[in-house]
Amino acid sequence: EAQVTQNPRYLITVTGKKLTVTCSQNMNHEYMSWYRQDPGLGLRQIYYSMNVEVTDKGDVPEGYKVSRKEKRNFPLILESPSPNQTSLYFCASSLGGDSPLHFGNGTRLTVT
Amino acid sequence: GQQLNQSPQSMFIQEGEDVSMNCTSSSIFNTWLWYKQDPGEGPVLLIALYKAGELTSNGRLTAQFGITRKDSFLNISASIPSDVGIYFCAGPPGDGGSQGNLIFGKGTKLSVKP
Repeated sequence: EAQVTQNPRYLITVTGKKLTVTCSQNMNHEYMSWYRQDPGLGLRQIYYSMNVEVTDKGDVPEGYKVSRKEKRNFPLILESPSPNQTSLYFCASSLGGDSPLHFGNGTRLTVT
Repeated sequence: GQQLNQSPQSMFIQEGEDVSMNCTSSSIFNTWLWYKQDPGEGPVLLIALYKAGELTSNGRLTAQFGITRKDSFLNISASIPSDVGIYFCAGPPGDGGSQGNLIFGKGTKLSVKP
């Protein structure tokens, strides 16, 4: 089944403890991206990648890192999480062009 | 940067009623997209619009790409309980953008009373 898989689905952590949220897609998509969703703010893009080793900042990149060493994986790294990064995170992928964006089921992160 | 303004923020309607929501921008978009997010899941594409003036339907959903390229609306006819969710408009920023890189509106949260 074609899908975007994020792990974990839920994560509670403490301020400053480095964490990684994994994202993997099995559709051979060129584009991958990370969004965060907060009440009243909609979906805001954190980072996106157009291909292996090519990444670009989105609208809210501060406090996040990404890497694209393989086409299928696009992990999101929080080196030193803070409470304002408590949010619902979505990974998404697309073939590009007019092909639609496919979303994972989200990772709910709480930083205390 | 480019922004999408969606309204209304939320709607509470009775089952069977029609729903209308819209999205505007101060800058031109060459593609308008409407996504729906069911509770606990990621957004899913409902309708894609590629030409100014285009009117496209998907079952009970109808969406239009505004003539000015700065707005779009989504209508849902005869709403049912499973229409509950958050509806987002979206578009690729800049000229010739790809759907792989989108900006989103803040969403319209729809609640349907049976």
